[in-house]
Amino acid sequence: GDSVTQMEGPVTLSEEAFLTINCTYTATGYPSLFWYVQYPGEGLQLLLKATKADDKGSNKGFEATYRKETTSFHLEKGSVQVSDSAVYFCALRDNYGQNFVFGPGTRLSVLP
Amino acid sequence: DGGITQSPKYLFRKEGQNVTLSCEQNLNHDAMYWYRQDPGQGLRLIYYSQIVNDFQKGDIAEGYSVSREKKESFPLTVTSAQKNPTAFYLCASSITYSQGSDYGYTFGSGTRLTVV
Repeated sequence: GDSVTQMEGPVTLSEEAFLTINCTYTATGYPSLFWYVQYPGEGLQLLLKATKADDKGSNKGFEATYRKETTSFHLEKGSVQVSDSAVYFCALRDNYGQNFVFGPGTRLSVLP
Repeated sequence: DGGITQSPKYLFRKEGQNVTLSCEQNLNHDAMYWYRQDPGQGLRLIYYSQIVNDFQKGDIAEGYSVSREKKESFPLTVTSAQKNPTAFYLCASSITYSQGSDYGYTFGSGTRLTVV
């Protein structure tokens, strides 16, 4: 079945550092790929998405590129802020439009 | 503004009681979902519904029940058969999938259930 693997956390960075959170997936066909962010005590918010190979999703300084050849969708940000501290979830939905598959989440802590 | 409303935000349950968590959306989404999140862990699917009056079990449906009598509403009942119900519960909704225009899920803000 479909699956999503993310790097284990927690990830701790200093403010203005470069962020990469790795995400790889296993799926048949051409899934849509997503990154969600969860702030403490809240629900998940869509951060960015890509629906086909080579698409780049971007939002709030975060970027991720859909790489079909490496089945990856790594999240990057050039300069993190304390306010970026949250849990980040990589997810996919297969091209049959069925339910999402979420990764386990990666907790990011940004120190001032 | 359109969105998903979950209530209550915090809920305390005594052992042996059933409790119902509310989830209402005004996004005109066809599909709705319930997930459970335990501390430091990912999301696990409890139940989902693609259309009114129909729903399917997810990965951890035992001890839970749902109904979908209206498009806007998808309440979750945590029954006394659920042995470890203390968790954070998230409701989500989405439009009917169409290839090339996947907007993903919209989540509510969650209900934290504690057994006392």
